Amino acid sequence: AQSVTQLDSHVSVSEGTPVLLRCNYSSSYSPSLFWYVQHPNKGLQLLLKYTSAATLVKGINGFEAEFKKSETSFHLTKPSAHMSDAAEYFCVVNNSYGKLTFGQGTILTVHP
Amino acid sequence: GAVVSQHPSWVICKSGTSVKIECRSLDFQATTMFWYRQFPKQSLMLMATSNEGSKATYEQGVEKDKFLINHASLTLSTLTVTSAHPEDSSFYICSARDRDSFFHSPLHFGNGTRLTVT
Repeated sequence: AQSVTQLDSHVSVSEGTPVLLRCNYSSSYSPSLFWYVQHPNKGLQLLLKYTSAATLVKGINGFEAEFKKSETSFHLTKPSAHMSDAAEYFCVVNNSYGKLTFGQGTILTVHP
Repeated sequence: GAVVSQHPSWVICKSGTSVKIECRSLDFQATTMFWYRQFPKQSLMLMATSNEGSKATYEQGVEKDKFLINHASLTLSTLTVTSAHPEDSSFYICSARDRDSFFHSPLHFGNGTRLTVT
């Protein structure tokens, strides 16, 4: 069985400050992990993916995430938040059959 | 990039009627598509896995007779909500994986369908 826990349901930052969205996972094998972003009433857009290559993964819009096996974490970061980053973010783990398990989501609010 | 088109983007229907939602992969072929349901302020819950040319696989607790899934081609899967009731009101999202990609490749998502049953 696998699971994903996003440790914060809401994160609020000021524009220009760093962003940290936390994600822990559990899996009985080496997983594939993704971060998706969802804007209101929209589908999901892939930000980045980890598939057993480099542990530090760079994605779109300046986001990156580091896979830490010892900590079973895959936290999402961005050095400087932009107003357009305000959205909901999902950490997702992929099982061996290609089925995704979603975290509960983290709503990111960016203040001017 | 890979595009998944979902139609309609929103629909309002009366209780007791049926609604069909289409999910198309526009520039790739998908042997497998997934249907999710998302309640307000909640995460996505997988409803079923749609397999081209065969029966869908439903998650526990999802009524297969109520949520009919058809995946007749490599680019189209449909979800029909039969005899809809207000509690079926939700945001439905489909996703697909390019059949030429590995199982651990990410899915491509449609923009979702907002269903409101009155």
